[in-house]
Amino acid sequence: AQTVTQSQPEMSVQEAETVTLSCTYDTSENNYYLFWYKQPPSRQMILVIRQEAYKQQNATENRFSVNFQKAAKSFSLKISDSQLGDTAMYFCAFMIETSGSRLTFGEGTQLTVNP
Amino acid sequence: NAGVMQNPRHLVRRRGQEARLRCSPMKGHSHVYWYRQLPEEGLKFMVYLQKENIIDESGMPKERFSAEFPKEGPSILRIQQVVRGDSAAYFCASRGQLSSYEQYFGPGTRLTVT
Repeated sequence: AQTVTQSQPEMSVQEAETVTLSCTYDTSENNYYLFWYKQPPSRQMILVIRQEAYKQQNATENRFSVNFQKAAKSFSLKISDSQLGDTAMYFCAFMIETSGSRLTFGEGTQLTVNP
Repeated sequence: NAGVMQNPRHLVRRRGQEARLRCSPMKGHSHVYWYRQLPEEGLKFMVYLQKENIIDESGMPKERFSAEFPKEGPSILRIQQVVRGDSAAYFCASRGQLSSYEQYFGPGTRLTVT
């Protein structure tokens, strides 16, 4: 069974600074996908970034980037130039296509961006 | 721009009543997933359906919960004889046939059992 662990229940950062959220996972599969989702107070699940395990290059989406360490089974999210609107719960998630593409989520990290 | 629709957004039920949660996937999507988010927790997979078929229900509680995705109409998650522990946010996600990794989430239904 796949598991996803987020060891930081809460984090805070000053506006315009950089913050890194940690995620580790456990799997015996070789081909899989990793995701970071954002859940603001509205509770809508918003995809932030996706990483395919077969790609060595780390994914980047504007101010969001990941550090994917496949051997260490680590998948951290870096948010640069933090904005107040980044305040949200962030979930790391894992998927393998052979399991019907269902998502396995971590417990989440509540990020607060302070003005 | 019709994304994934869920209704109702909020549902209050007394213990012992039935709850019906509806999910209309994005246009052209034939794969639907239901997830449950208990308070202060992450989302947990419940069931995966395609049109008229349950593909994987390994995350569904054995009793009182059922799901369907008929040929016409929305997917329904049904909870019979609700208990306080069923209070949670229930999310639906859909995807198309070709993009196995790209799930689009609805806004969720928050169920409160009193």
